[in-house]
Amino acid sequence: NAGVMQNPRHLVRRRGQEARLRCSPMKGHSHVYWYRQLPEEGLKFMVYLQKENIIDESGMPKERFSAEFPKEGPSILRIQQVVRGDSAAYFCASSPRGGGLEQFFGPGTRLTVL
Amino acid sequence: GQNIDQPTEMTATEGAIVQINCTYQTSGFNGLFWYQQHAGEAPTFLSYNVLDGLEEKGRFSSFLSRSKGYSYLLLKELQMKDSASYLCAVRENNNAGNMLTFGGGTRLMVKP
Repeated sequence: NAGVMQNPRHLVRRRGQEARLRCSPMKGHSHVYWYRQLPEEGLKFMVYLQKENIIDESGMPKERFSAEFPKEGPSILRIQQVVRGDSAAYFCASSPRGGGLEQFFGPGTRLTVL
Repeated sequence: GQNIDQPTEMTATEGAIVQINCTYQTSGFNGLFWYQQHAGEAPTFLSYNVLDGLEEKGRFSSFLSRSKGYSYLLLKELQMKDSASYLCAVRENNNAGNMLTFGGGTRLMVKP
């Protein structure tokens, strides 16, 4: 059973470009969480999605950031017009249900904005 | 909202025992998790406590006191590979779902 998959693992963008981060949850998991981790800091919750629904986006910046989890395909975290402060590791986690005992984390995407 | 505190760094010796503390303030507490994260890697699940007391799993144990808003992770017979960050996370009941709020992590360095 494959774990949570994220791609790309590393992404370099110039200021003003768009970044698209993909997350495929574990098989059988329908709940996806995105977290951001700045260097030397803990993980910060961004958004929680179920298939075709955003359940909680209270941790996501109001501008430039969006997330989706379509009926088919991976969850996408999209950052428009990236700035240097967006440089971070972005982790996706999945669980079989919202109150699942454990969230399984993917390997993360490390975004560097030049 | 939640406030989760844990020490930033700790150092211990191979073969020894180390205790990493975590204090939290939250409403609607619904469980406390410990994750291990090696540099540049994904967090991996270590333990889960929702009731008071000690949960033991091999060399790792985790304790919870809900009345005190306190937990600790105990690592025994330390090995060099235990050098990593240890993340305390609290799950809170809310209407939207049970996402985790993480502390800043404790970076543990195990020395020979």
